[in-house]
Amino acid sequence: AQKITQTQPGMFVQEKEAVTLDCTYDTSDPSYGLFWYKQPSSGEMIFLIYQGSYDQQNATEGRYSLNFQKARKSANLVISASQLGDSAMYFCAMREWGGSNYKLTFGKGTLLTVNP
Amino acid sequence: DVKVTQSSRYLVKRTGEKVFLECVQDMDHENMFWYRQDPGLGLRLIYFSYDVKMKEKGDIPEGYSVSREKKERFSLILESASTNQTSMYLCASSLKGGGLSHTDTQYFGPGTRLTVL
Repeated sequence: AQKITQTQPGMFVQEKEAVTLDCTYDTSDPSYGLFWYKQPSSGEMIFLIYQGSYDQQNATEGRYSLNFQKARKSANLVISASQLGDSAMYFCAMREWGGSNYKLTFGKGTLLTVNP
Repeated sequence: DVKVTQSSRYLVKRTGEKVFLECVQDMDHENMFWYRQDPGLGLRLIYFSYDVKMKEKGDIPEGYSVSREKKERFSLILESASTNQTSMYLCASSLKGGGLSHTDTQYFGPGTRLTVL
């Protein structure tokens, strides 16, 4: 079974609108962290936002926020006021603290296209 | 800011060649990682190092080896390159955090697109 599922291979949004990118995860470890990365066409993976499993509040970083629903095991990324530069692949990833090697498990990604 | 650099953005090699991919980080991170990224398969961990001269196999170590002689540098070695190793290779580093914290974040380099002919 996949540990990280991103069900939207591609998404389109109009500039200045908000968009939600879905991520569900599967773990039996009570301690875990969830990460979102952005990968523009240049290839570099850019860290956006982090949510810990014990965090009481949803994480926010500028225009990025994380809609964390622990019972549903979902960690959706919300981008407000989309910009053309937001067009990129977005990856959700998880680190389970019971793991021995600090490994991140990645989803397959969502390609976001922002239209002018 | 964390800076992770990789020796080449694009590399073309021939089948059977020995290939070295170099990664350097300047933030004194203990952990370093090598991933490969393929369409439809996402990112997969090849090898991980948590200290100088220490390494652990990831999910797909076959056909690869690694070297970490200095804390800031982590090399990925393809002993005899094959066409199925054509891929995007990403290096990352992170602090050796012990608890549940954003300090565990992995920071990535720009990637190396390797083509094996």
